[in-house]
Amino acid sequence: AQKITQTQPGMFVQEKEAVTLDCTYDTSESNYYLFWYKQPPSRQMILVIRQEAYKQQNATENRFSVNFQKAAKSFSLKISDSQLGDTAMYFCAFMKLLSGNTPLVFGKGTRLSVIA
Amino acid sequence: EAGVTQFPSHSVIEKGQTVTLRCDPISGHDNLYWYRRVMGKEIKFLLHFVKESKQDESGMPNNRFLAERTGGTYSTLKVQPAELEDSGVYFCASSPFSAGGYTFGSGTRLTVV
Repeated sequence: AQKITQTQPGMFVQEKEAVTLDCTYDTSESNYYLFWYKQPPSRQMILVIRQEAYKQQNATENRFSVNFQKAAKSFSLKISDSQLGDTAMYFCAFMKLLSGNTPLVFGKGTRLSVIA
Repeated sequence: EAGVTQFPSHSVIEKGQTVTLRCDPISGHDNLYWYRRVMGKEIKFLLHFVKESKQDESGMPNNRFLAERTGGTYSTLKVQPAELEDSGVYFCASSPFSAGGYTFGSGTRLTVV
């Protein structure tokens, strides 16, 4: 079974600064996706970024980028130029790749607070 | 397009009562998932529908939980009778039949007192 570990229960970052959220995972699968989801106070789970394991290039989405180290099974999220609206719970998630969707496996989350 | 809709957004019930949560997925999404987050713990998978069929219900905690998906459209999750440990946020997600395209609802916060 897959296991996702997020070791930072809470993080603070000054507005406009950068912050990195850590995630490691344990799997014997070779084909999978990794995700970062954001859950703001509205409670809606929002996809931040997705990484296919077969791709060596790190995914980026505007101010969000990942450092995907497949051999180390590490998948950290970097938020650049932090904004107040980035305040949220951030969940790292894993999905093994079969023909179609399979359930997501989540970490416990990191609560990020952006301070003005 | 409309997103995934869940209601109620919040429910407070007494131990022993019954509660039914509803999820309306994005139209045309074959896959529908239920997840639950108990405070301070991971979000846990409960079950997966493909259209009206249960593809995987390995995460259902016990037989007090019953999920249905009528005609492959909306889904309900009934808890009967509710226990204190059932408190948490119940999320629904849907996706088309292709990998990686989940859309989540805003969740139902269930409080059992």
